[in-house]
Amino acid sequence: EAQVTQNPRYLITVTGKKLTVTCSQNMNHEYMSWYRQDPGLGLRQIYYSMNVEVTDKGDVPEGYKVSRKEKRNFPLILESPSPNQTSLYFCASKEGGMSTGELFFGEGSRLTVL
Amino acid sequence: GNSVTQMEGPVTLSEEAFLTINCTYTATGYPSLFWYVQYPGEGLQLLLKATKADDKGSNKGFEATYRKETTSFHLEKGSVQVSDSAVYFCARNSGYSTLTFGKGTMLLVSP
Repeated sequence: EAQVTQNPRYLITVTGKKLTVTCSQNMNHEYMSWYRQDPGLGLRQIYYSMNVEVTDKGDVPEGYKVSRKEKRNFPLILESPSPNQTSLYFCASKEGGMSTGELFFGEGSRLTVL
Repeated sequence: GNSVTQMEGPVTLSEEAFLTINCTYTATGYPSLFWYVQYPGEGLQLLLKATKADDKGSNKGFEATYRKETTSFHLEKGSVQVSDSAVYFCARNSGYSTLTFGKGTMLLVSP
């Protein structure tokens, strides 16, 4: 089954404790992206990757890091989480080179930073 | 820059009512336009899309027409069901692969 898998789905942590949210896709997609969803703000892009070893900032990259060492994985790293990073996070992927292609989303990771 | 504006929700309707959710986009370039739907507790999934002016996207009884003259892509359905209750996001592509989303419109359908 074609899917985007995120872990963990739910996490409560404390300020400053480094964490990583993993994302893996099994569709051999070149493009992957992270979004955060907040009430009243919709979806905002954090980082994206056009292919292995190629990453770029989205609209709200501050406080986040990413890496793309393999095509299937695109982890989101919060080096020193703060309460304003409490949010619902989505990973997504699509075929590269197709601007009209469908974006496939994971089920989301709800993060709470105390 | 590129942006998408949707009507604020929630939109509350009775079953079998007619639905319209308004969406307008900035006219930069020649974007493709999308509607995504998010059911409770799930990620977003593509509902329909249109890639050029005057195209009509349709799926599951929903329709939207790409109107270049009014920079709009309004979502419509003739008769909504309780199962259509969800959050709907309008989006345009910005750059080759990146999508810019609107803030989302919650739809609540009661029996």
